[in-house]
Amino acid sequence: EAGVAQSPRYKIIEKRQSVAFWCNPISGHATLYWYQQILGQGPKLLIQFQNNGVVDDSQLPKDRFSAERLKGVDSTLKIQPAKLEDSAVYLCASSLGQGWSSEQFFGPGTRLTVL
Amino acid sequence: DQQVKQNSPSLSVQEGRISILNCDYTNSMFDYFLWYKKYPAEGPTFLISISSIKDKNEDGRFTVFLNKSAKHLSLHIVPSQPGDSAVYFCAASVQGAQKLVFGQGTRLTINP
Repeated sequence: EAGVAQSPRYKIIEKRQSVAFWCNPISGHATLYWYQQILGQGPKLLIQFQNNGVVDDSQLPKDRFSAERLKGVDSTLKIQPAKLEDSAVYLCASSLGQGWSSEQFFGPGTRLTVL
Repeated sequence: DQQVKQNSPSLSVQEGRISILNCDYTNSMFDYFLWYKKYPAEGPTFLISISSIKDKNEDGRFTVFLNKSAKHLSLHIVPSQPGDSAVYFCAASVQGAQKLVFGQGTRLTINP
């Protein structure tokens, strides 16, 4: 079974530029998550999708971050414009979504450096 | 507002001995707890979990203990092996939410 795929693996941009990350979840997983992990901290949930609908985006900085999952499969996360404090690893995860203890499977992440 | 805390950034243990990783939480609504393991350049992988109706869950070398009154959980690894060297994250959720709140992580190093 293929895992969660993410691209790119690394990205370096200058502040005020835009960047987009892509995630392809495990086939059949209805729930998709985007996390931000700043160095020295644990992952923080940015947004959760159930199929193509948003379940929770309470911690997404909506003035600069946006995410979509149009067909209920893969997803993109965009930052526009980027700030220095956005430097982090962006992790995508997916789960079957059936039940509150449904295991989340994580991708390898995209490491973003904002200069 | 750090609802899940891992106060030890790092831990070093000799191979074959017991590793004990600790985690504290503040939100009494949390009722499901998980431990994830992370190697460099990889995403976290699920290790073991425990529901608040239990105080212990065991899976091979890994045991998680939950003390609800103290809002504390711990992960015991025995015996520790070199492949256990990784960053360990504690996470918690509220039933039905599927939203995980993670601690800061503890870097475990197993010395030969």
